[in-house]
Amino acid sequence: EVQLVESGGSVVRPGGSLRLSCAASGFTFDDFDMNWVRQGPGKGLEWVSSINWNGGITEYVDSVKGRFTISRDNAKNSVYLQMNNLRVEDTAFYYCAREQEVAGNGKGLDPWGRGTLVTVSS
Amino acid sequence: YALTQAPSVSVSEGQTASIACSGVDFGETFVCWYQQKAGQSPVLVIYQDVKRPSGIPERFSASSSGTTAILSIRGTQITDEADYYCQVWDGRNPRFGGGTRLTVL
Repeated sequence: EVQLVESGGSVVRPGGSLRLSCAASGFTFDDFDMNWVRQGPGKGLEWVSSINWNGGITEYVDSVKGRFTISRDNAKNSVYLQMNNLRVEDTAFYYCAREQEVAGNGKGLDPWGRGTLVTVSS
Repeated sequence: YALTQAPSVSVSEGQTASIACSGVDFGETFVCWYQQKAGQSPVLVIYQDVKRPSGIPERFSASSSGTTAILSIRGTQITDEADYYCQVWDGRNPRFGGGTRLTVL
């Protein structure tokens, strides 16, 4: 069974740091690009960051550039999100999502993990 | 650019629900759709404009024309009550619509 399990969410003060982890199983991890998507309380989905199969290409939404760093360890089947200088507006569920296993453009994100909650509050 | 979705749509059980997404030329890009039930993670229900992943009922279909894409749910069931998000690719990055809450009456 293909599975993604996030961990690392916690309550942190503004300006603090957290490292989220996503452990993958059930598929050949280094065949796929990986993504982090967040959802603030009562809000919609917002893509945060992505990393290609070998870690050579990383992308970020503008609001986290310079503060968040995505990385992966293919030997451990894991992807990470290092979050520094956290802000109240970073409060959200953070989901790990894999690119879909289909050929061609227009693929979706599938599957998604269950998410981990990050709360930034003083 | 922003992907625009109506905040809410209501449909009577057994009828067809239509959820729209606008803001880009869908002739130039693929669209995907996700379902998110309360307290759960999003689930992909449509990819490459019109295809259904395995396990997604045939009741779910999609179409697009010009700057509007539509997710249709035929014979809507109570279990279809959820938030639905459209998504396109902005280069290598996914971009989501604001989401539509589907209420089944």
